[in-house]
Amino acid sequence: DTGVSQNPRHKITKRGQNVTFRCDPISEHNRLYWYRQTLGQGPEFLTYFQNEAQLEKSRLLSDRFSAERPKGSFSTLEIQRTEQGDSAMYLCASSLFLRGGPSSYNEQFFGPGTRLTVL
Amino acid sequence: AQRVTQPEKLLSVFKGAPVELKCNYSYSGSPELFWYVQYSRQRLQLLLRHISRESIKGFTADLNKGETSFHLKKPFAQEEDSAMYYCALGPPPGRRALTFGSGTRLQVQP
Repeated sequence: DTGVSQNPRHKITKRGQNVTFRCDPISEHNRLYWYRQTLGQGPEFLTYFQNEAQLEKSRLLSDRFSAERPKGSFSTLEIQRTEQGDSAMYLCASSLFLRGGPSSYNEQFFGPGTRLTVL
Repeated sequence: AQRVTQPEKLLSVFKGAPVELKCNYSYSGSPELFWYVQYSRQRLQLLLRHISRESIKGFTADLNKGETSFHLKKPFAQEEDSAMYYCALGPPPGRRALTFGSGTRLQVQP
């Protein structure tokens, strides 16, 4: 499978614990996005990277959340001191941005998501 | 602020009936609109985008700037069209995020 992969697929944790998720984008994609999706809602943007640079963070990304993409390939999303409100599906997506391309948007390919349950 | 509204959480039709999934948006600039689909146990995937003006799997969507709408239509629904459909608003200059609606579940009954 050459698509976006995410690990783990499911994570159950107790309130107050730290969790870390991993995303492996499509290999040639230079942009990587994290979204969060709660029940009955569409995905909500958290943050995105172009290569290793984190270029934008949503207000949803509190100081308990941190994301990295150290070598411009895979990315990790860490949540410290988890709360029950953090329970959600965490989606990763990647895209190939070509400067000077015909559109400011490049198709985002989504991974299967990591479902987090905080007890 | 950007916003995408999908007023129907569930749309149930019979096979062969026409389908229209509604999407309204609010955005002050020139929007880029998309429809994403998620079939059961599959990942979210792009169905179509307004700039392509294409028909995918028999679905079309026309951007109506006057009504700020981007409704998804198909003249004859098939059972395999049953899925969650999300309308999304593309990133304005300087931002790269998509803004998604809350989604509509389409059920096509035999």
